[in-house]
Amino acid sequence: ETGVTQSPTHLIKTRGQQVTLRCSSQSGHNTVSWYQQALGQGPQFIFQYYREEENGRGNFPPRFSGLQFPNYSSELNVNALELDDSALYLCASSGAGPSGANVLTFGAGSRLTVL
Amino acid sequence: QQPVQSPQAVILREGEDAVINCSSSKALYSVHWYRQKHGEAPVFLMILLKGGEQKGHEKISASFNEKKQQSSLYLTASQLSYSGTYFCGTENAGGTSYGKLTFGQGTILTVHP
Repeated sequence: ETGVTQSPTHLIKTRGQQVTLRCSSQSGHNTVSWYQQALGQGPQFIFQYYREEENGRGNFPPRFSGLQFPNYSSELNVNALELDDSALYLCASSGAGPSGANVLTFGAGSRLTVL
Repeated sequence: QQPVQSPQAVILREGEDAVINCSSSKALYSVHWYRQKHGEAPVFLMILLKGGEQKGHEKISASFNEKKQQSSLYLTASQLSYSGTYFCGTENAGGTSYGKLTFGQGTILTVHP
């Protein structure tokens, strides 16, 4: 059983640029969620995708957008990068467990630095 | 509003016990606990559901007080491998928030030999 894989692992951008982060979900999981984790903080929910549709969004502006593909992999796109976008971006896939609740399996993240 | 964790940090010797608390101002459906080591992905430890309690590991257990919207994580006979940052993540009751967790700020646990 493969886990969640993310790419790239590290990247550096400048203010105003655009970035695309990619995520392959764990086998058997049909839901992908994206989280932003600033240094020393807990992950913060960006949005979730289920069956290729956005299924909920946190308090992030529209310049954060995403996609989910038929194979359940996903992309996170951020336009007009700002310095505060520097963070670790975590992708998590999930599927209903025996308890009925969704347990998240996280990838190792993509570390974005905006200069 | 994110749940509040306490303490912010704890230092232990191997074999000692620790308790990490997580408190929310909202009615909860579930509480998830994760551990994250430096530079690594958060790893799922256990989930506690409204109306039930689930233990994920032998020496790591947790409780969930639904009335107080509080959860506690108990680590007994700590091992060096327990070191890391522990996060609670909550799902609110009454909504369709499956998998959309609100995380606390984390508790840094350090275990020394």
